[in-house]
Amino acid sequence: DAGVIQSPRHEVTEMGQEVTLRCKPISGHNSLFWYRQTMMRGLELLIYFNNNVPIDDSGMPEDRFSAKMPNASFSTLKIQPSEPRDSAVYFCASSWEGSGSYNEQFFGPGTRLTVL
Amino acid sequence: EDQVTQSPEALRLQEGESSSLNCSYTVSGLRGLFWYRQDPGKGPEFLFTLYSAGEEKEKERLKATLTKKESFLHITAPKPEDSATYLCAVVSYQKVTFGTGTKLQVIP
Repeated sequence: DAGVIQSPRHEVTEMGQEVTLRCKPISGHNSLFWYRQTMMRGLELLIYFNNNVPIDDSGMPEDRFSAKMPNASFSTLKIQPSEPRDSAVYFCASSWEGSGSYNEQFFGPGTRLTVL
Repeated sequence: EDQVTQSPEALRLQEGESSSLNCSYTVSGLRGLFWYRQDPGKGPEFLFTLYSAGEEKEKERLKATLTKKESFLHITAPKPEDSATYLCAVVSYQKVTFGTGTKLQVIP
């Protein structure tokens, strides 16, 4: 298995532009997570999908952020408009969640976003 | 609100010098505690899952333990390749909370 795939690996954009980050989870996994990592705040959960349905989006900073999972093999995280404070590394992770079981998450390599 | 605190923030060890990393937590209904290793420029890599107090897991030079309030990651006779940031995370009622990590440096 190729593991969790994220694209792009690096993104540099200007303030006000729209940014779309993409993720392909591991085949067979039914849960997908988007995280943001910064030096100041560490790893923060933004949103969590189970069976393509958003379960917890309480970590999404504000309305500028949106996430979709149209099918089991693809998810996007969109920032519109982007701001310099959105600069961070964004990770996607996937796992298999059964009834009452919580298993390890497999992380992608991350997307390093820089907003100028 | 769930809280996870890791200590120390940074640790520098000589090769072969054993030590422990701490992860203390306050959660409402612990479903599991995870340890991850993160190398620079990469995503976290899974190490261990602990589900109940008293549980222990081992892998090579690493051993993770769990009590009702904290978890320890013991590193026995570390090698330079063990240098990384170690993260713990707790799961409670479908919510995942990560600590800020301990950056470990092992010097030859």
